[in-house]
Amino acid sequence: DARVTQTPRHKVTEMGQEVTMRCQPILGHNTVFWYRQTMMQGLELLAYFRNRAPLDDSGMPKDRFSAEMPDATLATLKIQPSEPRDSAVYFCASGFLGLDTQYFGPGTRLTVL
Amino acid sequence: AQKITQTQPGMFVQEKEAVTLDCTYDTSDQSYGLFWYKQPSSGEMIFLIYQGSYDEQNATEGRYSLNFQKARKSANLVISASQLGDSAMYFCAMREGLENFNKFYFGSGTKLNVKP
Repeated sequence: DARVTQTPRHKVTEMGQEVTMRCQPILGHNTVFWYRQTMMQGLELLAYFRNRAPLDDSGMPKDRFSAEMPDATLATLKIQPSEPRDSAVYFCASGFLGLDTQYFGPGTRLTVL
Repeated sequence: AQKITQTQPGMFVQEKEAVTLDCTYDTSDQSYGLFWYKQPSSGEMIFLIYQGSYDEQNATEGRYSLNFQKARKSANLVISASQLGDSAMYFCAMREGLENFNKFYFGSGTKLNVKP
């Protein structure tokens, strides 16, 4: 049963620290999305990649967030420095051209104190 | 303008009854896809059902069906014979364009509570 995996599942950190979240898309999927979910803003698209190239990262605060795909099996989302307002659940999702949907990982729950 | 609008923040339904969750969308594209996801309290996002803009028949997946009314730009989710396990947040989403795997737009969600 192929699934998107995300690590860590939970992260508590202090303001100013660097946070790195990792995502392993489903093998064969060439499109990866990063979302952030909060009670106030709902589900927001931060960035997405196709064939490891960033297609759209307009939803991401550029000064502190960065997203990369070092290889086809790993996507990373970094926050440096982190702030309390970054506290949220961060989802990764993957899919491929012709697939009718994207499949979500379990999410990383980030708390910045 | 909002791409996806879900006007029901919360709904209650009696177990074994049917329920309709509303969704309207806004796009000028001819080709697009509509989706529903379920998010239980555990937090994962579960794909439920998909409707393509050119599909003439309403999509169905088990107890889920999508009532697609193209002229009204609505894509309501119908859950038949509700079960307690259906209690969750439900999100409607749209992908513009069918040829490219483009970004999704999500609604604000509807919290469904199924009463025993």
